Amino acid sequence: GAGVSQSPRYKVAKRGQDVALRCDPISGHVSLFWYQQALGQGPEFLTYFQNEAQLDKSGLPSDRFFAERPEGSVSTLKIQRTQQEDSAVYLCASSLAREFYEQYFGPGTRLTVT
Amino acid sequence: RKEVEQDPGPFNVPEGATVAFNCTYSNSASQSFFWYRQDCRKEPKLLMSVYSSGNEDGRFTAQLNRASQYISLLIRDSKLSDSATYLCAAYSGGGADGLTFGKGTHLIIQP
Repeated sequence: GAGVSQSPRYKVAKRGQDVALRCDPISGHVSLFWYQQALGQGPEFLTYFQNEAQLDKSGLPSDRFFAERPEGSVSTLKIQRTQQEDSAVYLCASSLAREFYEQYFGPGTRLTVT
Repeated sequence: RKEVEQDPGPFNVPEGATVAFNCTYSNSASQSFFWYRQDCRKEPKLLMSVYSSGNEDGRFTAQLNRASQYISLLIRDSKLSDSATYLCAAYSGGGADGLTFGKGTHLIIQP
């Protein structure tokens, strides 16, 4: 079946621009996660949704980062006034339920801020 | 100190050999553990889940040692296609919903 998809796959933004990254989770998956992966590092947790509710946003690095999942399926991660330190791969993952199941990752969006 | 630590390697191993690497975790509340494989410029792909003492899947064996707070991954009869970065992840629950990842161990299988 279809896995997690993300778009765009690559994004170049000038410093100060706003960007929006999209995630389509696996159909039927209740839980959705966003992670940030810098070069040479493991993914770092950003935020978690159960259906449309954002239950954990403890990993968002600043108030410039905002995520939503209004209908409990597709999610968007928005970064306002991008900075060079925001350059990273943004990974979305989904899992079947709140009771913890394995997370499956999408291909990521590689963001470069110039 | 990072919550999940891995030896970054690289581990250079001849094809056909057995290789093992460990991952240590500092949060004793961690409930479940996962090994992911990540190829260059690709997403992490789930390799194995470890909920109790261990798990085996073909050439791969993962073991959990709660007393010493580490998990290990053993790869037998290694193949060239096993070359990748192996990420260890821990889930703690209790409101901390995301996985905590190590930096990964880079494995190179040599012909």
